[in-house]
Formats: sequence, structure tokens, C-alpha cells
Amino acid sequence: IVMTQSPDSLAVSLGERVTIHCKSSLTVLKASNNMNYLAWYQQKAGQPPKLLIYWSSTRESGVPDRFSGSGSGTDFTLTISSLQAEDVAVYYCQQYYYIPINFGQGTRLEIK
Amino acid sequence: EVHLVESGGELVQPGGSVRLSCAASGFTFSASWMSWIRQVPGKGLEWVAHVKEDGSVKRYLESVEGRFTISRDNAKTSLYLQMNRVRVEDTGFYYCARDKPGGSYDAWGQGTLVTVSS
Repeated sequence: IVMTQSPDSLAVSLGERVTIHCKSSLTVLKASNNMNYLAWYQQKAGQPPKLLIYWSSTRESGVPDRFSGSGSGTDFTLTISSLQAEDVAVYYCQQYYYIPINFGQGTRLEIK
Repeated sequence: EVHLVESGGELVQPGGSVRLSCAASGFTFSASWMSWIRQVPGKGLEWVAHVKEDGSVKRYLESVEGRFTISRDNAKTSLYLQMNRVRVEDTGFYYCARDKPGGSYDAWGQGTLVTVSS
């Protein structure tokens, strides 16, 4: 399975909306429980990744509500509703339906 | 508070061995799957291996199968990665991570750097 994110990088003005896409080469929707095995992470410079979203749209505890996830099957989106300076980071999607578990190549987000 | 602290990273020659450790605290270690994930500095994330709560199930990235061994000691709340016959492409930061039920990772250590070079 291949996870492909787009774009590879983007620069957005503070307060603007950010959309990052993730496409999997195989569906990560498990029919038996109707769950998408897809997560999103934020990695700031010099830090380990931080879980933002799991089950494609469930926000992790403590994550600001400007972060949201959507999508199903093979196409997913991470949205930041209003970009803040502290959101500068690399964002990764991850599928955990198949072994090997794998990640997208990352999307670098900067301030314009 | 969940705390994961990796150690053991070092400079090792190709073909050599190194053992990584991860000390866990702040949660019921024996109730969590645990994983190792690596990252070449400046590059993306790569899952390496994971182990079930009781150690009975272990799975590996194909490129490390037969060379790396993941293990755990629930009494010591510690996770390990024995890396044998290492290759240059095994270079990177190795993170210990706690699996949420299902397979995402809700806690990460700060990582330990393994450099494979002659």
C-alpha cells in the first residue's frame, strides 16, 4: 500500500484555511466496523510526531478544534480552519489497516 | 503523564549490532501494544516493528525481518529492539511509541540516533 500526500509543501497566511490531502492505494475502510484506519500527525522541528486525528476524523484529546479530518476509503483530508503561527510543522498521514503500517511522505506547512 | 525514554543509539559499523531500550512510565505498560518507528534525519517516518501486550505477537518491516528483534519486559516496563547485521540504510532516529487500540500512536519518545557507518 502506498500513501501519497499532496501537496509536498505549502505556504499559507495566518488565519487562512489549510487543506492537506492523503490518498491510499488501497482502501483503509474496514467493512466489519465501518472504521477508516487512518491517522494524522504533526511534527515540529526537533520534536517527535504528535497524534492529531485517528479513525480518520476523531480528534485526539487536547488537540485544538481548528484541526479536523475527513474522508473515507482511499481519500482523506486534514483541515486547519484558521492557521496559527504554532502550526508550522510537517504533517503526516498514516494507515494502520495493513502490515507494514506506513506513512505518507509528509507535507511541510509554512507561513506566507 | 505518559513518558517514553529511548536509549542505546550509537555509531556502529555495517554488519554490527546495537540494542535499543525504551523505558516507559505513566501508564499500564502491560496493556499496550508497543512499536518502534524510525526516521532518517530530515526525511519521513518508517514503521519498523510492533509487539503485542504480552509479547506473543511480533511483526516487522520486511527489510529488517530476520535482523531485528523486538521484545518487551512488562515487569520492567521496558521495550527493546535488538538490531543485528545493521546496514547503512538503518541509520536514523528510532522512536518508541505506544499504540492506541487499532494502531495509531498516541505517545512517542524523543528518539535515539543510530548511525551506521564505517
